Amino acid sequence: EVQLVESGGGLVKPGGSVRLSCAASGFTFSDYGMNWVRQAPGMGLEWVSFISTSSLHIYYADSVEGRFTVSRDNAKNSLYLQMNSLRADDTAVYYCARDFPSGIHDFWGQGTLVTVSS
Amino acid sequence: DIQMTQSPSSLSASVGDRVSITCRASQSITRHLNWYQQKPGKAPKLLIYAASSLQSGVPSRFSGSGSGTDFTLTISSLQPEDFATYYCQQSYSTLYSFGQGTKLEI
Repeated sequence: EVQLVESGGGLVKPGGSVRLSCAASGFTFSDYGMNWVRQAPGMGLEWVSFISTSSLHIYYADSVEGRFTVSRDNAKNSLYLQMNSLRADDTAVYYCARDFPSGIHDFWGQGTLVTVSS
Repeated sequence: DIQMTQSPSSLSASVGDRVSITCRASQSITRHLNWYQQKPGKAPKLLIYAASSLQSGVPSRFSGSGSGTDFTLTISSLQPEDFATYYCQQSYSTLYSFGQGTKLEI
């Protein structure tokens, strides 16, 4: 059974940093690209970032470019999102999602909430 | 960037109804269009990919159509568990944008 479990969320001050993790199991992690998608409270889905299988191709939404860094460790079956210079509008539930491939998100984690507030 | 626009933003319907949700892309995305269902407090679930391919395990009352810029998600006979929010998403460009969502209410 495919499982994606996010962790690392919490309360962070504006300008602060946090690192999210996504632990994958039930499939060969190194065979799949991965995505981060976020959802602000009461709002819709916003794609955040994609990383390819070997980390060769990485893309970001304009709203996070230069502040967020996605990475992965295939040996640990883990995906990461380093979030720096956080702002109030980064407050959201952050989901990791497997790439089917080509942008189709076929499995999602349960999400982790990041709240940016003083 | 490709903008995705869904209509309507909300929709009231009854069990057994046939409903359709429309998604329009700001430029042609050929058939790179996916549909997701999200229930409150839950992660989104993939329903339809590549405009009309049904994801494994998804009931056949869900169907998708369209190409280019205009797409439709149809639910042929609403069931109680179908009341949720639906999102379209383009996967033509690597900035994988979503529509704003359509809330389907009883």
